[in-house]
Amino acid sequence: DAKTTQPNSMESNEEEPVHLPCNHSTISGTDYIHWYRQLPSQGPEYVIHGLTSNVNNRMASLAIAEDRKSSTLILHRATLRDAAVYYCIQTMNRDDKIIFGKGTRLHILP
Amino acid sequence: NAGVMQNPRHLVRRRGQEARLRCSPMKGHSHVYWYRQLPEEGLKFMVYLQKENIIDESGMPKERFSAEFPKEGPSILRIQQVVRGDSAAYFCASSWGYNEQFFGPGTRLTVL
Repeated sequence: DAKTTQPNSMESNEEEPVHLPCNHSTISGTDYIHWYRQLPSQGPEYVIHGLTSNVNNRMASLAIAEDRKSSTLILHRATLRDAAVYYCIQTMNRDDKIIFGKGTRLHILP
Repeated sequence: NAGVMQNPRHLVRRRGQEARLRCSPMKGHSHVYWYRQLPEEGLKFMVYLQKENIIDESGMPKERFSAEFPKEGPSILRIQQVVRGDSAAYFCASSWGYNEQFFGPGTRLTVL
């Protein structure tokens, strides 16, 4: 079973920031947090991952709580192409299988 | 650098036939994963392979399903005697050691 919990769906307006929350209360010190997203009719796509520190890349930012029991994926300026299901995943090793939960379906309003 | 390739993209089989799904990982990647996504559901892990070895097959059905990743050539997911419940999208992912997984476009299997 997935070890993370996320809201089923969220809405955001185009060109506004989006904050997607994730709870991972059972996380251990060596577990990574990964985010993937799946656009309609496509395979999942890696977004970002982190261990303890906040992370930034060209797609998004990942803010990890100090106790590591939650994290937030931040899309700085949402576009219609960001409409997808976003999965927050906790993994024991970085090459471990991915246990997908239900994810958050993000709707972007024009 | 080409991404993960899967073929065929669409496959139609009648009940009782065999389905063979192929996955070519990204160049340099030695880890391959297979996932299944039933209609309107999330992705489920099936099997994790490294070259010539099955590392974790805890998500594979006990019967009719098998996977291989030979020293040369693509990884193959084989489903024998398909049934309607096997209709799904099958995704392959690859990685290099301890890095993120890159997913292919999937094979959509329809069993008539």
